[in-house]
Amino acid sequence: QVHLVQSGAEVKKPGASVKVSCKASGYTFTDYYMHWVRQAPGQGLEWMGWINPNSGGTNYAQKFQGRVTMTRDTSISTAYMELSRLRSDDTAVYYCARDRIQLWLRTEFDPWGQGTLVTVSS
Amino acid sequence: QSALTQPASVSGSPGQSITISCTGTSSDVGGNNFVSWYQQHPGKAPKLMIYDVSNRPSGVSNRFSGSKSGNTASLTISGLQAEDEADYYCSSKRSSSTLAVFGGGTKLTVL
Repeated sequence: QVHLVQSGAEVKKPGASVKVSCKASGYTFTDYYMHWVRQAPGQGLEWMGWINPNSGGTNYAQKFQGRVTMTRDTSISTAYMELSRLRSDDTAVYYCARDRIQLWLRTEFDPWGQGTLVTVSS
Repeated sequence: QSALTQPASVSGSPGQSITISCTGTSSDVGGNNFVSWYQQHPGKAPKLMIYDVSNRPSGVSNRFSGSKSGNTASLTISGLQAEDEADYYCSSKRSSSTLAVFGGGTKLTVL
């Protein structure tokens, strides 16, 4: 069974960075694109970008370019999302979500990790 | 870049049918068939309910169906049940540097 398990909640100060991990199991990690999506409290979903776990190639939403870095460690089937220069409006639940189809970038997300709450507060 | 447009809320009684719309542009909803729908219960991660406009993943009830006309996609839930009460989000691939976009979400209330 496919599972994505994310790291625990984080509390950060404005200006700091946060790195969230997403460990995959139940499938070949390098065969599926991985996306990151965030959800601010009481708000909707916002796509942040993707990483190709095979090549390490990435694509970020314009809004996050320059502040987000997505990486992976294929030896432990784990994807990472690091967001820098945090602001209070970055407070959100951050999800990793696998693309649905093997070796194809369709931006259809299944399954999702359980989410990681990142709180930015002074 | 703007999100796809969904109604903020819809409601229906048990057994009834409801439809949630999702309006985009020719650069997203109208320009490809990679439209998907997600169900999210409070405090939970989203769950894929519809992909490729109208296909259901294994395990999703056939009470859920999807369609598209032009730049607007729709999710229909028939035979409403209490467990369907949740937030629903549409999503589409987009032909721009921001590759994917979500709708603002629709809160479904089962009366």
